[in-house]
Amino acid sequence: GDSVTQMEGPVTLSEEAFLTINCTYTATGYPSLFWYVQYPGEGLQLLLKATKADDKGSNKGFEATYRKETTSFHLEKGSVQVSDSAVYFCALRTTGPSGGSNYKLTFGKGTLLTVNP
Amino acid sequence: ETGVTQTPRHLVMGMTNKKSLKCEQHLGHNAMYWYKQSAKKPLELMFVYNFKEQTENNSVPSRFSPECPNSSHLFLHLHTLQPEDSALYLCASSQTRLAGGKDTQYFGPGTRLTVL
Repeated sequence: GDSVTQMEGPVTLSEEAFLTINCTYTATGYPSLFWYVQYPGEGLQLLLKATKADDKGSNKGFEATYRKETTSFHLEKGSVQVSDSAVYFCALRTTGPSGGSNYKLTFGKGTLLTVNP
Repeated sequence: ETGVTQTPRHLVMGMTNKKSLKCEQHLGHNAMYWYKQSAKKPLELMFVYNFKEQTENNSVPSRFSPECPNSSHLFLHLHTLQPEDSALYLCASSQTRLAGGKDTQYFGPGTRLTVL
């Protein structure tokens, strides 16, 4: 079945440090890939997405590139801020070969990021 | 009001109580979802509704009973819960690709449920 594996947290960084959160996946079909972020006390917010191989999703300084050859979708940011402290979830959604939509998202366990001033 | 809203935000209940969680989406989407978020575990999809019809039930115990009266509202009725049911319950909605959308799911803030 489909699965998503994220690096274990927590991750603690100083402000302006470089961030990488690794994400790899296994899936049938042709997955779309997502990063969601959950700030303390809130629900999940879509951060970025990529729908096909070599696509790069980006938002708020975060980037992730869909690497089909390595089945990865690592999240990166060049300079983190205290306000980036949150839990980050990698997720996939598969689309069947007929082009139909499978609306089920499969999530990783989440990675807690803490950024210190 | 825009987006996906959930009420209440926090709920404490005894094992013999009956309570309901409410979700409302203001995005015109056709599909709605219930997820359970427990500590140290991935989000678990519980139920999916598409145009008010339940299309997915991920082996959820019968003490959780969903209701979708229309495409904008989704309820989760709770009765005789167990302490291990304590979790954050998240609602989401999307416009599915077959309905002309992009299938991106938008989440509400969640209801933090504690079962004593």
